[in-house]
Amino acid sequence: QTVVTQEPSLTVSPGGTVTLTCASSTGTVTSDYYPNWFQQKPGQAPRSLIYTTSNKHSWTPARFSGSLLGGKAALTLSRVQPEDEAEYFCLLYYGDTYVFGTGTKVTVL
Amino acid sequence: QVQLVESGGGVVQPGRSLRLSCAASGFTFSTYPMHWVRQAPGKGLEWVAVMSFDGTIKNYADSVRGRFTISRDNSKNRLYLQMNSLRPEDTAVYYCARARVLYYLDYWGQGTLVTVSS
Repeated sequence: QTVVTQEPSLTVSPGGTVTLTCASSTGTVTSDYYPNWFQQKPGQAPRSLIYTTSNKHSWTPARFSGSLLGGKAALTLSRVQPEDEAEYFCLLYYGDTYVFGTGTKVTVL
Repeated sequence: QVQLVESGGGVVQPGRSLRLSCAASGFTFSTYPMHWVRQAPGKGLEWVAVMSFDGTIKNYADSVRGRFTISRDNSKNRLYLQMNSLRPEDTAVYYCARARVLYYLDYWGQGTLVTVSS
């Protein structure tokens, strides 16, 4: 059973920067896992933010960026805004299946 | 604009079946892979199944393989999820999501709630 682990919660001040990570129980995450990142606010459907490690959708704010960091996929939120408070999930591709991360609740305080 | 609207959710007894539907509009449905993703109440996202644009590729999560079947009707712009032998742990909001290629999701529907309870 593959497990994809994220930090359960992170707190950031408005205007600050925070980095979320996404680790695979199988080992190092590479671009071959095609990491996706999603944002979900309470009572809403998920919204896609990043695909294939670092690519942004047309609606993704410039302050969100994706990368590979220390063997994990990473999502960095810069110049954080109050509206960035949400839960964030990563998704990794394992050939014929996909696994979501456990999710990170980001609090802007 | 791209729209995905799920339907077919409801309350069902354990062991029974249910079919979910996802109506797509605003894009050429027949050229995009599609996913089903679910979210149990208060829990995280769980990937369920994916189907390629032409139906030749179908993959499932271990938790639903052998019980759920993903299908699509490109002439009707619809994606389906046939769920058999339902269990209480299948209780969740079920979302359909479009993919540009199999591993690159972009648009999501608003979800439909399935409750498995006696």
